[in-house]
Amino acid sequence: AQKITQTQPGMFVQEKEAVTLDCTYDTSDQSYGLFWYKQPSSGEMIFLIYQGSYDEQNATEGRYSLNFQKARKSTNLVISASQLGDSAMYFCAMRDQNSGNTPLVFGKGTRLSVIA
Amino acid sequence: EAQVTQNPRYLITVTGKKLTVTCSQNMNHEYMSWYRQDPGLGLRQIYYSMNVEVTDKGDVPEGYKVSRKEKRNFPLILESPSPNQTSLYFCASRKLNDISGNTIYFGEGSWLTVV
Repeated sequence: AQKITQTQPGMFVQEKEAVTLDCTYDTSDQSYGLFWYKQPSSGEMIFLIYQGSYDEQNATEGRYSLNFQKARKSTNLVISASQLGDSAMYFCAMRDQNSGNTPLVFGKGTRLSVIA
Repeated sequence: EAQVTQNPRYLITVTGKKLTVTCSQNMNHEYMSWYRQDPGLGLRQIYYSMNVEVTDKGDVPEGYKVSRKEKRNFPLILESPSPNQTSLYFCASRKLNDISGNTIYFGEGSWLTVV
């Protein structure tokens, strides 16, 4: 069974600093995808970044990048130059991709607070 | 515009009064699912559907029903809501065999309170 672990319930970061949100996963499948979502206080789920298990390069999207370490089964999200608008809940998720009916499995989330 | 639409967005209801949360997508996706989000637990899958008339239980299906009579719609039914179903609910959709994996669409969420 797939499992996602986010060990940081809450994090604080100073504005303009970088922050790393941790995520480890467990799966027996070889083909899977890893996702990060942002959830502001308004509640919607905003897709941030995706990493496929066979991608050799770490994914980057603007200020977001992943530190993907396959052997350690970790996919940490790095947010550079934090902004006040980055304050939100962040969820790590994964989906095994060997069949079409596998669900997206989420971690419990990390609440990030950016301080001015 | 590609989107998943949920209604209602906000609802306060009483214990035992049947309610339906609708979900509609305009992308011709085969796969649709419902999640609930609770503090400290993340999102957990309630039910999913791989196509019309094909539904199956997720991790937390107790107290819920779903139907998939049309490809675009996947309503979540609470026959007799209880306070422990107070939660934030999300509908999501994607193509069934989306190997690339990163095109999952979420609705905006439905905040449900059962008193």
